[in-house]
Amino acid sequence: GDSVTQMEGPVTLSEEACLTINCTYTATGYPSLFWYVQYPGEVLQLLLKATKADDKGSNKGFEATYRKETTSFHLEKGSVQVSDSAVYFCALRHTDKLIFGTGTRLQVFP
Amino acid sequence: EAEVAQSPRYKITEKSQAVAFWCDPISGHATLYWYRQILGQGPELLVQFQDESVVDDSQLPKDRFSAERLKGVDSTLKIQPAELGDSAMYLCASSSVQADSYNEQFFGPGTRLTVL
Repeated sequence: GDSVTQMEGPVTLSEEACLTINCTYTATGYPSLFWYVQYPGEVLQLLLKATKADDKGSNKGFEATYRKETTSFHLEKGSVQVSDSAVYFCALRHTDKLIFGTGTRLQVFP
Repeated sequence: EAEVAQSPRYKITEKSQAVAFWCDPISGHATLYWYRQILGQGPELLVQFQDESVVDDSQLPKDRFSAERLKGVDSTLKIQPAELGDSAMYLCASSSVQADSYNEQFFGPGTRLTVL
């Protein structure tokens, strides 16, 4: 069945460091891909999305590119801030069903 | 800003008891989802409604779980009897029916269930 695998956390970084959170997927057909984020004390919310191969989703300085050849959708940011500390979930959507990865906790220290 | 409402936020119960969770989606959202999120894992879909009809309940343990959305607006998820393994966060989400193929899901704050 469809599945999402993302790197385990926590990922601990200093402010202004570069971030990559790896995500790979297994799916039949051509799913849409998402990154959701849960900030402390807040609801799970959409960060960015890509609906077809080679699409790049971006938001709040984060980017992820839909790579069909490697079945990947890695999350990147060039310079993280303390306010980026959160749990990040990679997800795919096939038909109308979202399938999530296990989540990666990011901790950014000043 | 419109939000998905859930209650209660926390529930502690003993095994074999019945529990119920309530969700009020964003006004006008026809699709409603219930997810279960076990600690350290991602959310897993339990049931999806389109208006008052169940679209997908393939992952709902039907021997003990039930869900309803009688008027196509708010929804209730029930567990009877609760088991220790049901301890988790129960998330509700809703989405509108849009002309394009992408319907963003908006999540509520969840109900954290602890079964003793």
